[in-house]
Amino acid sequence: GAGVSQSPSNKVTEKGKDVELRCDPISGHTALYWYRQSLGQGLEFLIYFQGNSAPDKSGLPSDRFSAERTGGSVSTLTIQRTQQEDSAVYLCASSLGVAGYEQYFGPGTRLTVT
Amino acid sequence: AQSVAQPEDQVNVAEGNPLTVKCTYSVSGNPYLFWYVQYPNRGLQFLLKYITGDNLVKGSYGFEAEFNKSQTSFHLKKPSALVSDSALYFCAVRFAYSGAGSYQLTFGKGTKLSVIP
Repeated sequence: GAGVSQSPSNKVTEKGKDVELRCDPISGHTALYWYRQSLGQGLEFLIYFQGNSAPDKSGLPSDRFSAERTGGSVSTLTIQRTQQEDSAVYLCASSLGVAGYEQYFGPGTRLTVT
Repeated sequence: AQSVAQPEDQVNVAEGNPLTVKCTYSVSGNPYLFWYVQYPNRGLQFLLKYITGDNLVKGSYGFEAEFNKSQTSFHLKKPSALVSDSALYFCAVRFAYSGAGSYQLTFGKGTKLSVIP
């Protein structure tokens, strides 16, 4: 079946601009996660959604970062006033639940801030 | 806080030889442990997990891992390496209980595996 999809695959933006990254999770998966992968920091958790519960935003690095999940499915990660240190690959993952379920990752969006 | 250590940045192994990629973890309470593989310019692919039960878990592509609670380790192994196994491997851990902040995975820095023909 279809896996997690993300768009765009690549995004180049100028410093100070806002960007939106989209994630379509696997159908039926109730949990959705955003991570960031960069050379210096490795893989970092950003935010997590589970069903209708309030999201866990504990990994968001600053208030320039926000995310929403509409209708329990598609999610958008927004970065406002982008900085060069925001350059990274942003990975989305989804899972059937939150118990012992594995997370399935999308191909990522490579963000470059110039 | 939970953490994962992958002590080797790179592992080189000859094709056909057994391979081991090491992982140790630190977490309060019982862990859920995972291995993922990443090929160039691709997302992470799930290989296997330990939740409970048998300490030896088997996963995709002939990989297996052994959970060792006393040594807090979860090393990835394969009896006979293939050139196509060359990739970046990540170990990950999370708490095995419900609660705010407990669901995200904490990843190791990754180990680059090179299988030499």
